[in-house]
Amino acid sequence: AQSVTQLGSHVSVSEGALVLLRCNYSSSVPPYLFWYVQYPNQGLQLLLKYTSAATLVKGINGFEAEFKKSETSFHLTKPSAHMSDAAEYFCAVRPSGGGADGLTFGKGTHLIIQP
Amino acid sequence: ETGVTQSPTHLIKTRGQQVTLRCSSQSGHNTVSWYQQALGQGPQFIFQYYREEENGRGNFPPRFSGLQFPNYSSELNVNALELDDSALYLCASSFPTVSGANVLTFGAGSRLTVL
Repeated sequence: AQSVTQLGSHVSVSEGALVLLRCNYSSSVPPYLFWYVQYPNQGLQLLLKYTSAATLVKGINGFEAEFKKSETSFHLTKPSAHMSDAAEYFCAVRPSGGGADGLTFGKGTHLIIQP
Repeated sequence: ETGVTQSPTHLIKTRGQQVTLRCSSQSGHNTVSWYQQALGQGPQFIFQYYREEENGRGNFPPRFSGLQFPNYSSELNVNALELDDSALYLCASSFPTVSGANVLTFGAGSRLTVL
């Protein structure tokens, strides 16, 4: 079984400050990891994904995440927050190796940007 | 290219009724999956369809069923609605890869309220 834990249901940062959203996973096999963003009244949009290539993954809108196997973590960062980054962020995991398993999502972190 | 479109966007049903939600896949995608997102929670995998057959299912009872059509569009049917079925239902399409690292493209969802 696999699971995802996102620490902090709400994270508040000032505009221009570092964004750090935490994600830890539990999986019986090496997983694929994803970060999605959800804006109000919209579906989920992929920010980035880890698929066992480079451990540091760069995504859209200046976000990046680092896969750390020893810590079973895949934290999302952005050097400088922008007001438009305010949204709900979800970390998700899927076992590697194909198959028809769906994504297992965390409960989400609501990112608040203070002006 | 068109994205994933879902209908209806909002609907209200009463307990015990049946509901059908519809989804049109992104052009070129032949796999559709459905997710249930309760308020304040991450999406939960319901099932996946590939070539008109269900080939993956999450922990949902049989009263959740689906169809995929030759044009890869899909329906989600829920019978005997319960109050806990109130949620945002997300459809996602993808093109499967051997590795399983296929990226899901999500629609904006159908918000179901059960009274």
